[in-house]
Amino acid sequence: QQPVQSPQAVILREGEDAVINCSSSKALYSVHWYRQKHGEAPVFLMILLKGGEQKGHEKISASFNEKKQQSSLYLTASQLSYSGTYFCGITTGANNLFFGTGTRLTVIP
Amino acid sequence: SAVISQKPSRDICQRGTSLTIQCQVDSQVTMMFWYRQQPGQSLTLIATANQGSEATYESGFVIDKFPISRPNLTFSTLTVSNMSPEDSSIYLCSVAGDLGNTIYFGEGSWLTVV
Repeated sequence: QQPVQSPQAVILREGEDAVINCSSSKALYSVHWYRQKHGEAPVFLMILLKGGEQKGHEKISASFNEKKQQSSLYLTASQLSYSGTYFCGITTGANNLFFGTGTRLTVIP
Repeated sequence: SAVISQKPSRDICQRGTSLTIQCQVDSQVTMMFWYRQQPGQSLTLIATANQGSEATYESGFVIDKFPISRPNLTFSTLTVSNMSPEDSSIYLCSVAGDLGNTIYFGEGSWLTVV
C-alpha cells in the first residue's frame, strides 16, 4: 500500500527547479506533502483533496491527478532551505495516512 | 493547528526494558495516531488511538508489543515493550486537524536501544 516516490534523491543548485512524483496503486482520497529535515519531525506543506486540484505554497506547488492516482510536487527557484526529505502521504478514505518512500532533496550553492 | 507535545524527546534504553511515550495535545481531537520511523526510512503507521476503546493496529504491529492508551481526547501513550535494538526509531504522535483532513505531528521521541 505504500506509495512510491520518484526520484529517490536529487541534487539541485540554488535557483533550479525540481519535480517529485508520488504514485499509488490504490484510489486516493487525499494527498499530503511533508518535508523533514535531518533530526526533526516532518512538517506539513499542503494537502490536496480529490478533484484534481492544484495548490501553491510560496514557490512550492503540487498537483493531484485522481485518475492516474498520482501527485506531483513542484519546487521552483529552489533555495538552500528547501533541502530535506520530502514525503507524500495518502489517504484512501479514512484519516489513516500512509507515507511514500521519500525523496531526498539537496540544494547546493 | 494543534500543538502536540511528546515526552521523552530522546532516550537511550536497555535491551529488554519497556518505555512509555506520552503525547499531549492542546485541544480535544478525535483522531490520534502513532507512527514509527526507523533510521533512513519512511514513516509507518503503528496504530490509531481511539478514545474509550482499544487502539486499531496496522498490519505488522501488535498490542502486546505496542500497547496504547487513550484516556481522553487530549492525551495518549504508546509503550514499546521488551525493546530490542531493532526498536531504535523515532516514534511520532500525530493528530487530525479541525477539518479532519490535515495531519499534524509532534516533535517525535528518538529512542535508541542498546
